[in-house]
Amino acid sequence: EADIYQTPRYLVIGTGKKITLECSQTMGHDKMYWYQQDPGMELHLIHYSYGVNSTEKGDLSSESTVSRIRTEHFPLTLESARPSHTSQYLCASSESGRAEAFFGQGTRLTVV
Amino acid sequence: AQKVTQAQTEISVVEKEDVTLDCVYETRDTTYYLFWYKQPPSGELVFLIRRNSFDEQNEISGRYSWNFQKSTSSFNFTITASQVVDSAVYFCALIPFSGGYNKLIFGAGTRLAVHP
Repeated sequence: EADIYQTPRYLVIGTGKKITLECSQTMGHDKMYWYQQDPGMELHLIHYSYGVNSTEKGDLSSESTVSRIRTEHFPLTLESARPSHTSQYLCASSESGRAEAFFGQGTRLTVV
Repeated sequence: AQKVTQAQTEISVVEKEDVTLDCVYETRDTTYYLFWYKQPPSGELVFLIRRNSFDEQNEISGRYSWNFQKSTSSFNFTITASQVVDSAVYFCALIPFSGGYNKLIFGAGTRLAVHP
C-alpha cells in the first residue's frame, strides 16, 4: 500500500480565490508529481520534483505553482482560481531508481 | 514520438466474460517501462503491473494477465471471468529512459463496465 495523501478530497470555490492543494507522502520518495485529469479522463503531467528545492514544469502548461521545501510535502497553489481550473488533480511519488509511481486519491476541484 | 494509445474508450461486459484491454505504445527509446493502472470510482490510481522493455515474458496474476509484444509495440491486459468489482478506468502508461524515468506518459484510458 502506498502512503500518499491529498487534501482536500473535494473543493468547491469561487472565481478569484487563492487555493492550495496539499500532498504528503511518508515513503521518503525523492520524486513527486502533479497530474491534472480532465473530464475526458486523460492525465497530464503539470509539475514534478526530483527532491527538495527542485521543481520543474510538466508537459501541460499550468497556471499553478508548486514548492518542495520538505521531502514529504509537495503542495500546489493556484493564486486566482478560474472555472477553467476545474479538474481532478492527482499527486504521485516514486523512489529514485524505480519507475513506478504511487498515487494519492486526488482532489476534485470545482471553480464556480 | 512518445505516445500511448488505448483505442477502446469504453467496454461493457457481463460478469464472468473475459475482456482484453488494448494498449499500443510508441517510443524512440530502446529502454523503457510499461505500466497498467486501475482507477476505481474513488479516484486514486492503483498500480497493477510494471514491465521493462527487456522482459517480454507474459505475466499472470490471478484473473489478470498481460501480454507484452515488442514486435507490435503492444502491452495488452486481459481480465478473465470479470467481476463487478473490476469496473473502473484502466490506464496504460509508458516511461521512456530518455525522460530519466521521470515522466509517465498515459494513454487516454479505457472505461470498463462489468454488469451483473
